[in-house]
Formats: sequence, C-alpha cells, structure tokens
Amino acid sequence: RKEVEQDPGPFNVPEGATVAFNCTYSNSASQSFFWYRQDCRKEPKLLMSVYSSGNEDGRFTAQLNRASQYISLLIRDSKLSDSATYLCVVKHSSASKIIFGSGTRLSIRP
Amino acid sequence: DAGVIQSPRHEVTEMGQEVTLRCKPISGHNSLFWYRQTMMRGLELLIYFNNNVPIDDSGMPEDRFSAKMPNASFSTLKIQPSEPRDSAVYFCASSFYGRSGSTDTQYFGPGTRLTVL
Repeated sequence: RKEVEQDPGPFNVPEGATVAFNCTYSNSASQSFFWYRQDCRKEPKLLMSVYSSGNEDGRFTAQLNRASQYISLLIRDSKLSDSATYLCVVKHSSASKIIFGSGTRLSIRP
Repeated sequence: DAGVIQSPRHEVTEMGQEVTLRCKPISGHNSLFWYRQTMMRGLELLIYFNNNVPIDDSGMPEDRFSAKMPNASFSTLKIQPSEPRDSAVYFCASSFYGRSGSTDTQYFGPGTRLTVL
C-alpha cells in the first residue's frame, strides 16, 4: 500500500463548478501536509499548506482530518486555468523527508 | 530571484553512456532533493541532502545512480551506465530546514528530460 494515495482522475468538470478531491495517508506520525500543483510538462509548485484548523486561499479550501488520515482540496468557481495535476504531499516528523502522492488530474471544460 | 537551476534541460543519450545532471539550489537553502517522474510511477524521491550531507538515499534505484553535493550551491546526479528504463524527467528541489520554524516549501527546478535510446 502506498504511503500517500490519491484518486488519479481525471476529474472533468465544467467551468464554474465546485470540485473536491481527497488524499489519504497511512503514517499517523505525519506532521505537515501540502497541496502542490503541476501543470503539463512543468515542475510542481506549492499551492497551499494544510493546517489542522483548515485554511482557505481565495477559491481554494484545504482541510485535514487526522482521525481518518486524509486531507482534502476544494476548488470553488473553477476556472479553465485550474486544469492541472494536484499533488498531495505529506511530511513526516523526521527532518525534511516528504512524500508525494501520484496526483489527481483535473480538467476544466468551457 | 533565481530559482532552482537545472542543466541540461533535455538530454538524449544512448544506452550505456554516462549521464550527469546538474542542479544549483536557491541561495540560502540547506536541503536539496532529487526526484524522478514518470507516467507509470509518478514523482519518486531519489535522495536528499541536508547541509550537503546525504540523509536518505533509499530511493536511489541501484548502484548505477550516484549523487553528490560538494558544496551548498551545487549538486550532481550521475547515471552510469544509462539504460532505456532511466528515461524520465529528473527534478531537483531545494528548501530551507531550520530547528525553529522550518520552511517546508520545496522549490522545484524546471527539470531535465532524459531520454535513453
């Protein structure tokens, strides 16, 4: 079983829709959580960190559920430019090692 | 500000040849990571350094792969001899890790697209 699991998608939704995807992690000692975004043929870039209390950044909301060991990303009022692969990232308590999920592909159609 | 710099951006080589990928991390960062990305396996961590010291190389596929970080501003990933299954995009990333309030954000370079024929 992979340490960080994501639904690979693709999620294909119309512009303006709300879309959400989850990511589960297996190591209960995981300490920090992030969502990265990767555009086609580009490098991953940090989208947002995920805090225990949940956090929002514009149209994006991230939530953490430690009891069930998953994090989620919600995108409201989706734009064509949101089309990308979203990578779930989990950091262990040990120095600096982080684990990337395999990503969820999102495609927004006009 | 210059981000993470990788070279070359593209490399096409023949099976059996030695390949060297280069990375210059962001100035001031003390952690450096090498990743490999393929369609089949996604993004895999190969090795990471903290303060130029290799901390975890458990992701390095086999002895054909080696990585060095001779100083804080330069790292190499070498494949010798290369094989077709090594074809992938290789990313280098850097971050700052500190005792009090570490910055966990990893900044990725543009990657090196390697094709081994």
